[in-house]
Amino acid sequence: GIQVEQSPPDLILQEGANSTLRCNFSDSVNNLQWFHQNPWGQLINLFYIPSGTKQNGRLSATTVATERYSLLYISSSQTTDSGVYFCAVRPSGTYKYIFGTGTRLKVLA
Amino acid sequence: DTEVTQTPKHLVMGMTNKKSLKCEQHMGHRAMYWYKQKAKKPPELMFVYSYEKLSINESVPSRFSPECPNSSLLNLHLHALQPEDSALYLCASSQEGRNSAGQGAFFGQGTRLTVV
Repeated sequence: GIQVEQSPPDLILQEGANSTLRCNFSDSVNNLQWFHQNPWGQLINLFYIPSGTKQNGRLSATTVATERYSLLYISSSQTTDSGVYFCAVRPSGTYKYIFGTGTRLKVLA
Repeated sequence: DTEVTQTPKHLVMGMTNKKSLKCEQHMGHRAMYWYKQKAKKPPELMFVYSYEKLSINESVPSRFSPECPNSSLLNLHLHALQPEDSALYLCASSQEGRNSAGQGAFFGQGTRLTVV
């Protein structure tokens, strides 16, 4: 089956710093999403981005489907950005959403 | 309304109990999902329903029994669970069909299950 790897696995930042999270996937996909999981377990939709670039405030994402990767950029990080970031892909021809390995982010005040 | 509602939020059950988790969405989505998430791991797919029919069962033990009574509701019936089944159970829904685009999957807040 498809493999979805995220890097880095852990990241510690000072408040105000910028960061880039990466998601690599091993096969073609119909859909790619980025989620932020808060400490209570809620998966918050950040981006639906099967291809191209999107921006929402301090966050932006880029997916290059032909090269099988996606990037999530966080600028001017805040302590509330702490948590786990997952990408999830839906392989072509299936209903499955497969999650990446996750990046655990901690932003220090 | 982009909300998926799960109840209960927390559940403690004994190994001989029978309980059910419930999930509801009113976005008109025709695909609904159950995921299981252990601590410090990504969510793992358990079941997918498409148009109220079970489409995918990821070799889940029979002590977990899904049910989709209608297009808005999804249940997960639990019976004779083991302590290792303790986890966060997440429900999701999505609009798209097998090969069509949509806006992706939306997740509920989860049910934190403890089996004692």
